[in-house]
Amino acid sequence: GQQLNQSPQSMFIQEGEDVSMNCTSSSIFNTWLWYKQDPGEGPVLLIALYKAGELTSNGRLTAQFGITRKDSFLNISASIPSDVGIYFCASSGSARQLTFGSGTQLTVLP
Amino acid sequence: GAGVSQSPSNKVTEKGKDVELRCDPISGHTALYWYRQRLGQGLEFLIYFQGNSAPDKSGLPSDRFSAERTGESVSTLTIQRTQQEDSAVYLCASSFPSGSGQGGGYTFGSGTRLTVV
Repeated sequence: GQQLNQSPQSMFIQEGEDVSMNCTSSSIFNTWLWYKQDPGEGPVLLIALYKAGELTSNGRLTAQFGITRKDSFLNISASIPSDVGIYFCASSGSARQLTFGSGTQLTVLP
Repeated sequence: GAGVSQSPSNKVTEKGKDVELRCDPISGHTALYWYRQRLGQGLEFLIYFQGNSAPDKSGLPSDRFSAERTGESVSTLTIQRTQQEDSAVYLCASSFPSGSGQGGGYTFGSGTRLTVV
């Protein structure tokens, strides 16, 4: 089946630093989505991307849909303590349901 | 309701017992999905419902797992003869139909944490 390779698996950063994470796949996808999951909660949609090359921002978050349609990255600028959580990329290609990456656990140190 | 509601939020069961997990989707969302999330891992697709179409059961890990949905409302995920490896958080999500142009993003519930002892 379709698989997404998400990296890094975990990150420890200082408050105020920028952070970047990415997802790649051997398959072509039509949609890239980025979710954040807080402890004990379900994932919440952060950014959705629908076109190759698309660059979208949501506050301090910026994500891009790779031009090859096989990758995407998420950047967080000027991190704050509430950015802590697990970030998942997700995508859909031929399948109707979303395929999720394995997640990036982000820890923000004061 | 305003969001996707799942119950119970936590369930501890003895190995070999059956369990039923419930999901109330957002009104108007015709698509409903079940995912499983093992500790420290990503989301594993289980099953997908879209309106009155036949569900996509391709993600169900064994015949001990089944799910039902009546129309475009509540869904139940049933696990029979539970095993310890079934311990996980079971997440339900709903959305507008895939390909409807409504965004493709899901709204997730908070999940049911299942522990099989």
